[in-house]
Amino acid sequence: AQSVTQPDIHITVSEGASLELRCNYSYGATPYLFWYVQSPGQGLQLLLKYFSGDTLVQGIKGFEAEFKRSQSSFNLRKPSVHWSDAAEYFCAVARSNDYKLSFGAGTTVTVRA
Amino acid sequence: DAGVIQSPRHEVTEMGQEVTLRCKPISGHNSLFWYRQTMMRGLELLIYFNNNVPIDDSGMPEDRFSAKMPNASFSTLKIQPSEPRDSAVYFCASKLIGDEQYFGPGTRLTVT
Repeated sequence: AQSVTQPDIHITVSEGASLELRCNYSYGATPYLFWYVQSPGQGLQLLLKYFSGDTLVQGIKGFEAEFKRSQSSFNLRKPSVHWSDAAEYFCAVARSNDYKLSFGAGTTVTVRA
Repeated sequence: DAGVIQSPRHEVTEMGQEVTLRCKPISGHNSLFWYRQTMMRGLELLIYFNNNVPIDDSGMPEDRFSAKMPNASFSTLKIQPSEPRDSAVYFCASKLIGDEQYFGPGTRLTVT
């Protein structure tokens, strides 16, 4: 079975600073990997996904993620954080694009002025 | 498109009462998922349907929970009888084969 670990429960970052959120997955084959963002009181929105090909994936809102098979990681990055990026971020894994998602516990991002 | 619609947005009920959560997926989508989100357990998949047929209900906690999808545009998640530990935010998501999941805004359920 697949699983996801997000080691950081909470991260605080200054506006304009860079952000990196860690995600480690466990799955025997090539996984399908996703990053979702959840703003307070809202549903989840897909930021980006990786299925195959280029291991550096660009997403919406200026986010990118890099798939590293050797480290079983799929870390999310943003070069310059905006106050509107304060939210909870979830990494998820599936065995295919049409299979059920397994989510990590989430990382809450606080942005300070 | 209106997106995935869930109702009610908030539900407060007493222990032992029946609760029905509703979901209208995005028109044309052929897969539907029910998730539960709690502080203790995070986001858990309860059940999902493909073409109105339940595919995997292994996440349904117990017999008190049931889900139906009578047609492509409507699904319900029912809890009978409800218990305080069922308090959570319940999300519905829908997708097309080969596409991403689109989440609804969620229903916040409080069982007192």
